[in-house]
Amino acid sequence: EPEVTQTPSHQVTQMGQEVILRCVPISNHLYFYWYRQILGQKVEFLVSFYNNEISEKSEIFDDQFSVERPDGSNFTLKIRSTKLEDSAMYFCASSEGGRRPNSPLHFGNGTRLTVT
Amino acid sequence: RKEVEQDPGPFNVPEGATVAFNCTYSNSASQSFFWYRQDCRKEPKLLMSVYSSGNEDGRFTAQLNRASQYISLLIRDSKLSDSATYLCVVRAGGFKTIFGAGTRLFVKA
Repeated sequence: EPEVTQTPSHQVTQMGQEVILRCVPISNHLYFYWYRQILGQKVEFLVSFYNNEISEKSEIFDDQFSVERPDGSNFTLKIRSTKLEDSAMYFCASSEGGRRPNSPLHFGNGTRLTVT
Repeated sequence: RKEVEQDPGPFNVPEGATVAFNCTYSNSASQSFFWYRQDCRKEPKLLMSVYSSGNEDGRFTAQLNRASQYISLLIRDSKLSDSATYLCVVRAGGFKTIFGAGTRLFVKA
C-alpha cells in the first residue's frame, strides 16, 4: 500500500536555527498538509497546499513557517528561526482530491522536532 | 464553542465490552467526517469515513446526525488491541481538516 514518508524521524536543533522537514506524499494525491502535535496535546492544522500554492493556513502558520514543493515528489516545511515552543511532532499528510474531493488524509510517520 | 469536541476520556472497559464515543462539530457547512485512531507517539491512522446513512466496518459502526451536528463511533466486542486514542475529524469545506482532542480508550483483560 502506498504511504507518505517523512524525513528525518527526529530532528534536534538549537533555538534560532532554521529547519526543513521533508515529506514525500502518495504519488497520485493532489492535496498536501502539515499538522503538528505538541506532546500530550491535540493534532493541530498548520497548512494545506494544492496546485502549487497554499490553499489554507491556521493562525499557527505565521511568517516563520513556509512550505514548498520543490520538485514533483517532495513537500517541505521550513521553520526559519525555531523557538522552544516549536518542539512538537510534525505530521505530513496527503489526500487524493480530484474525483474524490472528500477523501481522507493519509499521514506520514512524523518528524519529532526538539528545539533546545 | 470548539470546532470539534469529543467526549473527555479516558474510557476504561473490559475486553468484550461495547463502547461508544461521541463528537460534535460547530460548522454546519462541514462536508466530510472521519474517525482516526492514534497509538502513543504514532501518526493518526484512518479507522473509517463516516457517511450520512451510517456505516459499519466489522466491529465498528459510525453514525452521523447532520441536524444535531453529531458523530458517533461504536466499538463492539472490544479487544486489547483497540486501546488507543480515537480522533474525530471534520472537514469543514475547502481544505481545512480539523481534529478533535481525542478520547483515550483502555481495554483491560
